[in-house]
Order: sequence, then C-alpha cells, then structure tokens
Amino acid sequence: QSALTQPASVSGSPGQSITISCTGTSSDVGIYSLVSWYQQHPGKAPQLVIYEVTKRPSGLSNRFSGSKSGNTASLTISGLQAEDEADYYCCSYARGSTLVFGGGTKLTVL
Amino acid sequence: QVQLVQSGVEVKKPGAAVRVSCKASGYTFTSYGISWVRQAPGQGLEWMGWISPYNGDTNYAQKFQGRVTMTTDTSTNTVYMELRSLRSDDTAVYFCARDDSSGWYSQAYWGQGSLVTVSS
Repeated sequence: QSALTQPASVSGSPGQSITISCTGTSSDVGIYSLVSWYQQHPGKAPQLVIYEVTKRPSGLSNRFSGSKSGNTASLTISGLQAEDEADYYCCSYARGSTLVFGGGTKLTVL
Repeated sequence: QVQLVQSGVEVKKPGAAVRVSCKASGYTFTSYGISWVRQAPGQGLEWMGWISPYNGDTNYAQKFQGRVTMTTDTSTNTVYMELRSLRSDDTAVYFCARDDSSGWYSQAYWGQGSLVTVSS
C-alpha cells in the first residue's frame, strides 16, 4: 500500500486561507469516506483535526474544514493564524482493512 | 480526562526485540481500540497496526506481519507493542493512539511517544 501524496510544503499569510491536497487511489481515498487529518507541532504527538472527510472533533476551531473529490481529499484552513504553523498529515482507510498516511505537508505562516 | 502514557527511551542492537507499553486512563479501556503509529527521524507517520482490548483481536499492517505483536493487559489497562528482528531503519518514535468514537480509522488521543534507537 503506497503512501498518499501530499505537497511537501504550503505557506500563507495571517488571515488568508490555504488548502492542502491529499491524493490517493481507487483503493483508498476514492472509495472510502474515511479520511482523517492530523496536525503535528515539532516534538509533539499528532492531533486529530478532521475525521470522516468533513467532520471536526468537538471543540476544534471551525477554521478547519475538509472535503473530497474523486481520489483527492483536501484540508482547508481559513483565517490563518501563527499557531497553525505545523506539519499536517492525511490518513485514509484502505482496501484490506488497513490505514495509509500521506507523506505530510509543512505549513508555514509568513 | 483520557491519557495514554508510554514507556521511555529504548536503545537496542540490530537483531534484538523491543517492547513498548502504553498505559491508558480516563475511559473504559475495553471500549476503544489502540493503534500503533511510528515516525522515523524527520519522516512522516506510518501505521503499524491495531488491537482491540475488548477481545484481543489484532490487525497488522502487511509490512510488519510476522515481526510485530500487539497485546493487552486488562488488569492494568496497558497495551504492549513488541517489534522483533530490529534493524537500523526501525529507529523511530513509536506512538500509541486510541480510536475516535467514530471508529478505529481515526485516532482521537495519542500517547507522548517512545523513542526507540537501533544501533550497534
């Protein structure tokens, strides 16, 4: 099972919106609405920010939103803030009852 | 509050085995599964497998089949991950993570991570 494809880096200025893509195949993202997104600050454990493509965990800012089209899922962060600077990983359920992560995207807030 | 507390740093020689523990608290232990995810230095996340503390069912990633064993101890609310035949590329931080209430395919709570270094 190959890793999902994410851009290595994205950047944006405070207040702007950014979108991170996550491209899979017809064996994972394309056929299951079970994509999660995680935020990871340096030296810390990941934190769930989106599950089941579009749902936010309780208490999480509504500046985070998710979507999916075909084999590509996306995470959008609106009203960018300095504390959003982190690594972001997508993860999908895949055929064969397994989970596959993306390679990660480093978000820089300019 | 939900907490997952992992064991500490391990240094192992190639060919050896390592066992990492993950002690859970703050919820009903048998109601949620635990996944293990590792992260090599400067690299991304990699899912290793999952275990149900309710009945001991496991689901290992194909890459680790035959080399990893996950177990639970319901008397101490602890999950264990043993990785055998260690190689230098097994050097990583190993995280345990609890299922989200929506299902095992999302992890809502994470341990602090356990660094395993494999070096001769």
